[in-house]
Amino acid sequence: GQNIDQPTEMTATEGAIVQINCTYQTSGFNGLFWYQQHAGEAPTFLSYNVLDGLEEKGRFSSFLSRSKGYSYLLLKELQMKDSASYLCALDSNYQLIWGAGTKLIIKP
Amino acid sequence: AAGVIQSPRHLIKEKRETATLKCYPIPRHDTVYWYQQGPGQDPQFLISFYEKMQSDKGSIPDRFSAQQFSDYHSELNMSSLELGDSALYFCASSLAGSRVGVNTEAFFGQGTRLTVV
Repeated sequence: GQNIDQPTEMTATEGAIVQINCTYQTSGFNGLFWYQQHAGEAPTFLSYNVLDGLEEKGRFSSFLSRSKGYSYLLLKELQMKDSASYLCALDSNYQLIWGAGTKLIIKP
Repeated sequence: AAGVIQSPRHLIKEKRETATLKCYPIPRHDTVYWYQQGPGQDPQFLISFYEKMQSDKGSIPDRFSAQQFSDYHSELNMSSLELGDSALYFCASSLAGSRVGVNTEAFFGQGTRLTVV
């Protein structure tokens, strides 16, 4: 079967760093997406990892370990606008399998 | 740059009515995906199309049907609407075959908010 887990909610302080973890189990792995979603809006693409390792894009970085079924999204220099849900999605067998999302709350 | 266009943005229907949602993918994208997102829930995959043929099917109810037309736009037809169908319906498009894959991002439309009363 396929399964994705990520924390329901996290709180962090403006200017700080936060790491959102995602673990998964699947029989067919093609890649792993991270999306950001503000309430009532469509998810927006952040990253797509296929190979193990860290990929950095500005303030956001994403890490993947296929052997461990583990990924994380790292957000640096947090801004208030980063308050959103962060969705981990598994690219598996011709569809995306979504995690429930992690609601990130940024405090001043 | 052109994005995925969904129409309408908001729709209010009564129970047992029908609704049609439209999705216009990014030009030259050959794959369209439909997702349903209930309040406070993660998006649920409904169905996808590649080159006008259904490529995969998720948790789409039998009351719903969809198709992709020759111009690659897609329509989601919903009949016998129920209160539980109230949700955000997202369409996404991508290039490179029947799956979201390497070097391919799935671009999402802004969604259609369907309210069934």
